[in-house]
Amino acid sequence: AQKVTQAQTEISVVEKEDVTLDCVYETRDTTYYLFWYKQPPSGELVFLIRRNSFDEQNEISGRYSWNFQKSTSSFNFTITASQVVDSAVYFCALSESYNSGGSNYKLTFGKGTLLTVNP
Amino acid sequence: DADVTQTPRNRITKTGKRIMLECSQTKGHDRMYWYRQDPGLGLRLIYYSFDVKDINKGEISDGYSVSRQAQAKFSLSLESAIPNQTALYFCATSDPQRPNEQYFGPGTRLTVT
Repeated sequence: AQKVTQAQTEISVVEKEDVTLDCVYETRDTTYYLFWYKQPPSGELVFLIRRNSFDEQNEISGRYSWNFQKSTSSFNFTITASQVVDSAVYFCALSESYNSGGSNYKLTFGKGTLLTVNP
Repeated sequence: DADVTQTPRNRITKTGKRIMLECSQTKGHDRMYWYRQDPGLGLRLIYYSFDVKDINKGEISDGYSVSRQAQAKFSLSLESAIPNQTALYFCATSDPQRPNEQYFGPGTRLTVT
């Protein structure tokens, strides 16, 4: 069964600090997808990134960067120079096919990491 | 306009009441999902539907039922609400051509007193 572990329940930093959110996953599939979502205090889920299992290139988008390492089954998320507006719950998720045709996917979420950025 | 909408956005109800949460989408997706989120537990799948005639239970379907009235509408019902169903509920959709990508609605915050 697939599993996503976000070991950090809560993280608190001071503005302008860099912060890394950890995500470790378990899957038996060779084809799968990983996601990060942000949930600000208003409650909606904001899609941040999708990465497929064949693409191990790191990605940078502004102050956000993602480090995908299949060897350690990790997909970590770093915010550089954090800002108060980054305060939110961040979810890592794994999408894995559960049928042989590969047309049905199950999305499994980690329990989330609450990031608080203090001014 | 939002692609995935949920009504109501907030609801307070009493134990034993029947309540329906509605989800509509304009994305033209065949697949729709209902999740619940509890503090510290992430999102868990309640029910999912791959088309109007195909409805499946997720990992926590007990106490819930669903109705897929049309391709664009997927409703979640609590037949007799209980306090531990207090949670944030999300609807999501996906396209069969990109089944691993799900698009979420804004959520419905339900409180059962």
